[in-house]
Amino acid sequence: AQTVTQSQPEMSVQEAETVTLSCTYDTSESDYYLFWYKQPPSRQMILVIRQEAYKQQNATENRFSVNFQKAAKSFSLKISDSQLGDAAMYFCAYRSGYQGAQKLVFGQGTRLTINP
Amino acid sequence: SAVISQKPSRDICQRGTSLTIQCQVDSQVTMMFWYRQQPGQSLTLIATANQGSEATYESGFVIDKFPISRPNLTFSTLTVSNMSPEDSSIYLCSVEMRAGGYTFGSGTRLTVV
Repeated sequence: AQTVTQSQPEMSVQEAETVTLSCTYDTSESDYYLFWYKQPPSRQMILVIRQEAYKQQNATENRFSVNFQKAAKSFSLKISDSQLGDAAMYFCAYRSGYQGAQKLVFGQGTRLTINP
Repeated sequence: SAVISQKPSRDICQRGTSLTIQCQVDSQVTMMFWYRQQPGQSLTLIATANQGSEATYESGFVIDKFPISRPNLTFSTLTVSNMSPEDSSIYLCSVEMRAGGYTFGSGTRLTVV
């Protein structure tokens, strides 16, 4: 079974600075998807960024980018120019590449605080 | 992407009672996923609901405690039965519209007293 590990329960960063959240995963599959989700106090799960394992290029969405190291099974999220609205729980998640709808396996989460 | 309407958004229930949570999707989907998020924890999959067949439950979750209905391709319910304070959690439904395109309901915050 696949597992996802986030080793940082909490992180904090000064507004406008850059922060990196860590995520490692364990799988024997070669085809899969990785995600970062954000959960603010509203409870709504918001997709931040997605990475297909077969793509070597790291995904980027505006101020959010990932460092995907497939051999090391590492998938970190970098947030540049941190804003107060970035404060939330961040979850790393894994999806098998098998055909058909598949469940997400989540990491334990990292609580990100932005200091003004 | 799909839009999911989940309700209730929150409820406070007496122990020993049951609560049914509803999720309505604005388009047809094959599978719906039900997750539990205990206080301060991550999301754990309870079961996968496929229209026309019984739900598939993850280890540690049983149908008698969490019965699921999936009467059509746009709707599903999760019931939390015979509740105890340990069932106090956020419950979320989710669908996958395409590979990697997951949408979540807004969650139901359940408090059992």
